[in-house]
Amino acid sequence: KAGVTQTPRYLIKTRGQQVTLSCSPISGHRSVSWYQQTPGQGLQFLFEYFSETQRNKGNFPGRFSGRQFSNSRSEMNVSTLELGDSALYLCASSTGLDQLQETQYFGPGTRLLVL
Amino acid sequence: DQQVKQNSPSLSVQEGRISILNCDYTNSMFDYFLWYKKYPAEGPTFLISISSIKDKNEDGRFTVFLNKSAKHLSLHIVPSQPGDSAVYFCAASGWKKSSGDKLTFGTGTRLAVRP
Repeated sequence: KAGVTQTPRYLIKTRGQQVTLSCSPISGHRSVSWYQQTPGQGLQFLFEYFSETQRNKGNFPGRFSGRQFSNSRSEMNVSTLELGDSALYLCASSTGLDQLQETQYFGPGTRLLVL
Repeated sequence: DQQVKQNSPSLSVQEGRISILNCDYTNSMFDYFLWYKKYPAEGPTFLISISSIKDKNEDGRFTVFLNKSAKHLSLHIVPSQPGDSAVYFCAASGWKKSSGDKLTFGTGTRLAVRP
């Protein structure tokens, strides 16, 4: 079974631009979560989507948004990029169905550099 | 407010010996805990998890211990191998109904296993 895939793997943008990152979950997984990893802050939760609906949201400004499609693929968008948005953006998937907690599986990440 | 803490940023261990990585949490609503291993420029790889109804879970060389009263968990790797050298993240999640699949991560401990 293929793992979580993310595209692109690397991206360079300039301040003020916007960016869209894509994530394809493991087949059969309906929950997709996004995380930002920076050297100083570790992994910070951005948001989670389940069945095309945002189920949970972290403490990030409104410039960070996402969506999920009917095939469970998810996109994350960052508008008006700032230098501090430079980070590794990670996507994780799980079935999302179980009433109990379950393991999330991560993709390789998209490395975003804002100049 | 760091709800999951890994107070040791780094750890160095001789090959063949035991590696013990520690993690503390403050949120009593957490009921599921996971350990991930991460290499540079890659996504975290799931290692082992434990539910709050247990105090120990073992998988091969990896054992996780949970002390709920102390809000402390630890990961034991025995015997340690050079390939175990990576950054280890502790993560926690709360009740599924209230927090979905959101994971709260510690800041990581860099493990170096010396040959």
